[in-house]
Amino acid sequence: NAGVTQTPKFQVLKTGQSMTLQCAQDMNHEYMSWYRQDPGMGLRLIHYSVGAGITDQGEVPNGYNVSRSTTEDFPLRLLSAAPSQTSVYFCASSYQVIQGATDTQYFGPGTRLTVL
Amino acid sequence: AQKVTQAQTEISVVEKEDVTLDCVYETRDTTYYLFWYKQPPSGELVFLIRRNSFDEQNEISGRYSWNFQKSTSSFNFTITASQVVDSAVYFCALSGMSLKTSYDKVIFGPGTSLSVIP
Repeated sequence: NAGVTQTPKFQVLKTGQSMTLQCAQDMNHEYMSWYRQDPGMGLRLIHYSVGAGITDQGEVPNGYNVSRSTTEDFPLRLLSAAPSQTSVYFCASSYQVIQGATDTQYFGPGTRLTVL
Repeated sequence: AQKVTQAQTEISVVEKEDVTLDCVYETRDTTYYLFWYKQPPSGELVFLIRRNSFDEQNEISGRYSWNFQKSTSSFNFTITASQVVDSAVYFCALSGMSLKTSYDKVIFGPGTSLSVIP
């Protein structure tokens, strides 16, 4: 298994550009999520999905869109990049646990995004 | 609302010292999971432990141990006889049900940066 893969690993954008960060997993996990990591802020949840066709907002969803058309893929779209979106982005996946909580998450290697 | 607090931003210890990383959480859920993850300087996130809300038994794994206390909403992590390779950022995380949508989500604390000095 490749686990959780993310592309690209590095990206530089100009303000106002749009782009899509790709995330894929081959473990048949139902739950997938996107986090951003900023110094001193830890990991903050952007969006998450509990299955194909189902997504929900996390703590910091503004400026980002997601969709989940398949179990394997969970792309994150930046609609109009801003310098405040400069960050490291992590995608994660896990099994859903019955009666509430999410199982251990497996993380991708991250995408380092710089917006000029 | 769910919240995870890691009050220690940075900790420095000398090699072979014991060190405890604190984690305090808030949740209204009766069923939830707590996690610890490690992020070494290379940047990847490494899972360390998962504990569910019905299991308050403390756990020891080699030099690592975890103390889960529901009464104080704490899930602390201790490294015994620290080593330089333990230098990393450690994150505590909480998984529980979203009241708004009934979907569960995982919230991370801000992390504690541990430096072990040789």
